[in-house]
Amino acid sequence: EAEVAQSPRYKITEKSQAVAFWCDPISGHATLYWYRQILGQGPELLVQFQDESVVDDSQLPKDRFSAERLKGVDSTLKIQPAELGDSAMYLCASSRRGGVVNNEQFFGPGTRLTVL
Amino acid sequence: AQSVTQPDIHITVSEGASLELRCNYSYGATPYLFWYVQSPGQGLQLLLKYFSGDTLVQGIKGFEAEFKRSQSSFNLRKPSVHWSDAAEYFCSLSGGGADGLTFGKGTHLIIQP
Repeated sequence: EAEVAQSPRYKITEKSQAVAFWCDPISGHATLYWYRQILGQGPELLVQFQDESVVDDSQLPKDRFSAERLKGVDSTLKIQPAELGDSAMYLCASSRRGGVVNNEQFFGPGTRLTVL
Repeated sequence: AQSVTQPDIHITVSEGASLELRCNYSYGATPYLFWYVQSPGQGLQLLLKYFSGDTLVQGIKGFEAEFKRSQSSFNLRKPSVHWSDAAEYFCSLSGGGADGLTFGKGTHLIIQP
């Protein structure tokens, strides 16, 4: 069964360092989402791609976060510099083109980030 | 702005007993509603979804949920829980299209032997 892949699974970094997370969606899925899940909270959408284009990054802290999906397949989320409050689980999800009515979002296992 | 409220942070249920997890939403129209389950160290798995039609929807693992427009609720139920149901449960909504999901804060389900 196809799955969304994410790496690394765990990342520990020091404050002010740069970190990057990678996501490989299910083959053929045009829409890719990055969510942040703070401990004890539900996931919050950071950025959404349709193919290689950003369609929603309204909740992305653009002063320190960036995301790209250059060839419309895999994606990278970067934080520079990392802050203590960035400690969270970063989840990637993908879905087929066409919207939520017909297309389930499939989630990867996430990257657990700890900023010291 | 749309929002999802899960009033119960923790719920403890005895194995074999029935379960109901509450979910209330705020949205200007009829939303698309979902329940996800998250086991420790795992991503989220879709249990069931409501788009339109029959207000009682069946999902995987024996779960069901009922959409009540008058109460803005979408409660999750299971007639008899198993120890393997212990997990975090998230209610979420979407306005449609290719929108991202808005999640509640989750309910942590504990199963007593």
